[in-house]
Amino acid sequence: AQRVTQPEKLLSVFKGAPVELKCNYSYSGSPELFWYVQYSRQRLQLLLRHISRESIKGFTADLNKGETSFHLKKPFAQEEDSAMYYCALKPGGYNKLIFGAGTRLAVHP
Amino acid sequence: EAGVVQSPRYKIIEKKQPVAFWCNPISGHNTLYWYRQNLGQGPELLIRYENEEAVDDSQLPKDRFSAERLKGVDSTLKIQPAELGDSAVYLCASSGGASGSPGELFFGEGSRLTVL
Repeated sequence: AQRVTQPEKLLSVFKGAPVELKCNYSYSGSPELFWYVQYSRQRLQLLLRHISRESIKGFTADLNKGETSFHLKKPFAQEEDSAMYYCALKPGGYNKLIFGAGTRLAVHP
Repeated sequence: EAGVVQSPRYKIIEKKQPVAFWCNPISGHNTLYWYRQNLGQGPELLIRYENEEAVDDSQLPKDRFSAERLKGVDSTLKIQPAELGDSAVYLCASSGGASGSPGELFFGEGSRLTVL
């Protein structure tokens, strides 16, 4: 079965604290993993993809095939990071995304 | 570029009534998706089009849902008759062409349906 699990519905931190949003996936093949973000009153948009290995807005994510995880990290959270974050899996050979249930990140001043 | 355009943004209907949602994808994008997002959940794929052809509709409840993408551009998603459980946000997305990263989907603002 192809599945993405985000165990935390809400992650609440203070400004300047480190952040880790967890994502685990179930897929037998070689996946592509993505993080999408939805800021308040905005549309869902791509944050980063594991293939690019970039840091976007200070966020990074490393694909760990052994643990089937793709956790999103940022060393120092900012208030503007408050949003809904969705982890997504693209099965190999298929032009579609399977999303997790999402984690709401709330960064307090 | 306006991005993916959806209408209506909000729709309130009584159960057993029909409803239709419209989507205009980004120009040049060959792939169009309809996702449904229930409250507190992530988007779930209903149907995917490659140009005019529906290539992945296994999650579309075909007894009451239908979709079309005439001429490979705009798309319409219809529900008839609507049920209480159909209350959700219906998201349209598109991909392909020269814009974005490989595998990146561009989403519309969504159509929020409330069935009373």
